Amino acid sequence: QVQLQESGPGLVKPSQTLSLTCTVSGGSISSGSYYWSWIRQPAGKGLEWIGRIYTSGSTNYNPSLKSRVTISVDTSKNQFSLKLSSVTAADTAVYYCARERMTNDAFDIWGQGTMVTVSS
Amino acid sequence: SSELTQDPAVSVALGQTVRITCQGDSLRSYYASWYQQKPGQAPVLVIYGKNNRPSGIPDRFSGSSSGNTASLTITGAQAEDEADYYCNSRDSSGNHRKFGGGTKLTVL
Repeated sequence: QVQLQESGPGLVKPSQTLSLTCTVSGGSISSGSYYWSWIRQPAGKGLEWIGRIYTSGSTNYNPSLKSRVTISVDTSKNQFSLKLSSVTAADTAVYYCARERMTNDAFDIWGQGTMVTVSS
Repeated sequence: SSELTQDPAVSVALGQTVRITCQGDSLRSYYASWYQQKPGQAPVLVIYGKNNRPSGIPDRFSGSSSGNTASLTITGAQAEDEADYYCNSRDSSGNHRKFGGGTKLTVL
C-alpha cells in the first residue's frame, strides 16, 4: 500500500523560498509508470496543479508558476521535493503531493496535505 | 481555452440521480478524471478514463464524455456523497494538468 507524506515548514516569510518534501512509502518512486506531482489548495478555494516530475528527472510545470517552481527527485531517499521561490501571501495554501498513474491519466494516491502560511 | 468549467453548486434529493459536468476544449482529446473532497480531507479519485472506478468506489458513481463535456453521474445519491467534486484533465498541450473550479454537491 503506497502512501505519500508531505513535510516541511508551516510558515514561510514573504519573498523567501517555500520548500516541501514528499516521502513515498510502501513502494518505489522509481517505478516507471508514474509521475509525481504537487497540487495546492488555498483555503476555501479549488485545486491548482503545480507541476510534476518523472523519475528520469523530466518535469512539467504549471505555466502560471513556472518561473518560480522547481521540482526534484531523490530516488535514494524515495522522495521528491518542491521549491517555490519569491512567495507572497497568495501562495498560502494546503500543499498536496500526489501520484499520477500514467496509464490511468489520473492522480490515484494523495498525501494528507500540509498547510503552508506565508507571513512575516 | 485550456480552462475546465464546472457549475459551482448542485443539489440532489436523497436517493435521486445527479450529474456534475465539466466543460473544456481539451476534453475533446483527453478524458477527465474526477475527485471527491470532503472537508478537511485530501481529494479521492472516484472516476478515471472512459468510465473506470478505483477499487472501493461504489458503483453508483459513473463517468461519461461527449464532445467538450465530461460528466460524473451519481445514481442514487447518499448522504455521504455530499462533498466537493473536481474534474481534472490535460490542457491543450497535453503536458500539463488542469483542474476545474469544483462543484459543491448538497444532498437534500
